[in-house]
Amino acid sequence: KAGVTQTPRYLIKTRGQQVTLSCSPISGHRSVSWYQQTPGQGLQFLFEYFSETQRNKGNFPGRFSGRQFSNSRSEMNVSTLELGDSALYLCASSFRVTGELFFGEGSRLTVL
Amino acid sequence: DQQVKQNSPSLSVQEGRISILNCDYTNSMFDYFLWYKKYPAEGPTFLISISSIKDKNEDGRFTVFLNKSAKHLSLHIVPSQPGDSAVYFCAARPNSGNTPLVFGKGTRLSVIA
Repeated sequence: KAGVTQTPRYLIKTRGQQVTLSCSPISGHRSVSWYQQTPGQGLQFLFEYFSETQRNKGNFPGRFSGRQFSNSRSEMNVSTLELGDSALYLCASSFRVTGELFFGEGSRLTVL
Repeated sequence: DQQVKQNSPSLSVQEGRISILNCDYTNSMFDYFLWYKKYPAEGPTFLISISSIKDKNEDGRFTVFLNKSAKHLSLHIVPSQPGDSAVYFCAARPNSGNTPLVFGKGTRLSVIA
């Protein structure tokens, strides 16, 4: 069974640009969550989607957005990038909303 | 406000000895707790979990203890091996409702050969 796939794995952007990250969940998993990991801050919850609906949203500014498609694949977008957005963005899928999370390897974003 | 706290950013242990990683939580609604392990350049992987109806759960070398009155849980690794060197995240969630996992900041464990 293929795991959670995130693309791209690494990317470099400059301040003010926008970025789109993609996540393909494990086949059959309908819930996708996104987390931001920065040094010293652990894993901070961004949002969670289930069957194309955003179920939960973390405490991040509106520059952070996401969506889920009918095939459960998900994308997150960050607009008007700031230096502080440099982080590892992790996607996780689960069979149901309250199920165990399976994480991808992450997309490491560097903002210059 | 940090609802899940891992107050030790790092821990060093000799190979073969016990590693004890601690986690405190503040939200009394949390009743399901998990530990994840993360190696560099990889995503976190699930290690072990415990429900609030239990005070201990064991899986091989890994044991999680839950003290509900103290809102404290700990992960014991016995014996520790160099391959256990990783960042360990504690996570918690209420068992009811569709609420996401809340993670601590992690503890970096180094097992020295």
